[in-house]
Parts: sequence; structure tokens; C-alpha cells
Amino acid sequence: GAGVSQSPSNKVTEKGKDVELRCDPISGHTALYWYRQSLGQGLEFLIYFQGNSAPDKSGLPSDRFSAERTGGSVSTLTIQRTQQEDSAVYLCASSLWGVDIQYFGAGTRLSVL
Amino acid sequence: AQSVTQLGSHVSVSEGALVLLRCNYSSSVPPYLFWYVQYPNQGLQLLLKYTTGATLVKGINGFEAEFKKSETSFHLTKPSAHMSDAAEYFCAVTPSGGSNYKLTFGKGTLLTVNP
Repeated sequence: GAGVSQSPSNKVTEKGKDVELRCDPISGHTALYWYRQSLGQGLEFLIYFQGNSAPDKSGLPSDRFSAERTGGSVSTLTIQRTQQEDSAVYLCASSLWGVDIQYFGAGTRLSVL
Repeated sequence: AQSVTQLGSHVSVSEGALVLLRCNYSSSVPPYLFWYVQYPNQGLQLLLKYTTGATLVKGINGFEAEFKKSETSFHLTKPSAHMSDAAEYFCAVTPSGGSNYKLTFGKGTLLTVNP
């Protein structure tokens, strides 16, 4: 079956612009995660959604970052007023439930000029 | 707080040689442990995981890892490297208690396999 799908695969933007990154999890997976992969910081947890529970936003680096998950499926990660340090690969993962194996998408490579 | 240390950001082996990628963790209680592999321009794929039970865990593609509590280690091995094993490998942990969905990753080890 289809895996985790992320779009766009690449995004180039100018400093100060807002960007939206999309994640389509595996059908039927109730848990969804966002991670950031950057040269300086490695792989970092950003946010976790589980069903209708309040998301765990503890990894979001600043209030310029937000995410939502509509209808328990698709998720959008929004970065407002992008900065050069936001340049990274943003990975989405999903799992059947919160403690199950996480399946990762190929990521969105964000470049902020 | 948990942390993961992968010794060696880059490991190079010859085809057919033993692969050994090192991972040590720091945690107040033994966590759940994972190894992921990332091929270029792809997402992470789970190789194997340890939660409870047998400390020697076998994964996909001939890889295995052994959990050693006394050494706080979870090293990844493969007896004979193939060219297709060239990729970046990440060791990760989650708490065995609450918030056990939150992966903490090591910095990664890039494996090169020489013909």
C-alpha cells in the first residue's frame, strides 16, 4: 500500500515568507509526527498528533512554527516569517498508534534564501 | 533527559567485511532502542528495535543488534557488508514509560562500502 507522502519534495523560499508543508499519513494510522533534520542539529522531534487528543507541541522551536491535522488524517506544518536557520529537511511519520513503529516519508527539503 | 551517542560519523568497510556501528545511550531507565537506515533522498526505514525480552535483536537485511544494559549500548552489526548497505544509519531511543512515542536520535553514521 501507499506509504507516507509529503509535498512538496523541495521548497525554496525567501527569508520572511510563510511556507506550508503537507503530510499524508498511511491510511488508518492514528498517530502522526513531524521531525526536522538539519546539518547542525541532526534529527529533532517537533510535534505529535494522536487521534483527537491535544498534540504534543514540545519540540516546536519557536512560535513561528505551527501544525494542524485535519480530520485525523492530513497534516500541515506551517512556518511563518521563515529564517535561514529554518533550512532543513522536514520529515513526517505515522504509526498505527502512539507507541507503534513509525513509518517515515521522504521529507520536504526547505531552503530559505 | 535522554541522549544518544553514535561513535564515528563515518565508517568505511570493504565489501564482505564485518559492519559494526556503535551506539550508546544515556537514560535514567532503560529505554526502547531502534536502528533506522536512510538512503539518499529517502525517508528513514526501521531496521530493528528492542523493547523487552531477548537482548539480541535481528532485523532486516541481515542486521542485528545487542542490548547491553551494563554498557548502555546497542551496537549494530552485520557479518558481511554488501554494496547496497551504503547509507546513513541512525540509532534512536524512546522512553519506556510516558511519552514513549518521541524518538531521540543520534547524529548518524554514514556507512561507505568499498568494492
